[in-house]
Amino acid sequence: ETGVTQSPTHLIKTRGQQVTLRCSSQSGHNTVSWYQQALGQGPQFIFQYYREEENGRGNFPPRFSGLQFPNYSSELNVNALELDDSALYLCASSFRGPTNYGYTFGSGTRLTVV
Amino acid sequence: AQSVTQLGSHVSVSEGALVLLRCNYSSSVPPYLFWYVQYPNQGLQLLLKYTTGATLVKGINGFEAEFKKSETSFHLTKPSAHMSDAAEYFCAVSMIKAAGNKLTFGGGTRVLVKP
Repeated sequence: ETGVTQSPTHLIKTRGQQVTLRCSSQSGHNTVSWYQQALGQGPQFIFQYYREEENGRGNFPPRFSGLQFPNYSSELNVNALELDDSALYLCASSFRGPTNYGYTFGSGTRLTVV
Repeated sequence: AQSVTQLGSHVSVSEGALVLLRCNYSSSVPPYLFWYVQYPNQGLQLLLKYTTGATLVKGINGFEAEFKKSETSFHLTKPSAHMSDAAEYFCAVSMIKAAGNKLTFGGGTRVLVKP
């Protein structure tokens, strides 16, 4: 059973650029959630994807967008990067079903915006 | 709406001493509750979770937590701290059957273990 894999592990971008982060979900999981963790804070929910559609969104602007693919992997895209977007981005996969309830987190992508 | 408050952003304990991390939550519906641990430069690892049933939940690495509905609390304990317990700990809540079932995290408590 493979876990959640995120790429890249580290990334440096310039303010105003665009970035794409990738996540491969754990085998058997059909739902992917993305979280932003700023330095010294708890993770904040960005959005979740289920059946290739956005299914729940936190308090993040539209320049944060995502995709889920038929194999349940996912991308997080951020346009017009701002300095405050510097954070650890965590992907979590889970299985949406009647009894199983648990998230598996990846190790994250550390994004630095300069 | 749901929220989580972790009392104490930093906790220092001696090796072998009791570890107690406090978590209070608010939720408009019965919650699912979680504790996660995060080691430096790593993602989140699940320690334990409460969904339904027994209110005392045992997790990995000797940790346990008790759900107290009347106190809206889910405090994490470990009888004897080990050096490897030095990490940051996050309490999280999720609403049952909520769209997206998002996790709402507390601000975290960093644990320092002194030899």
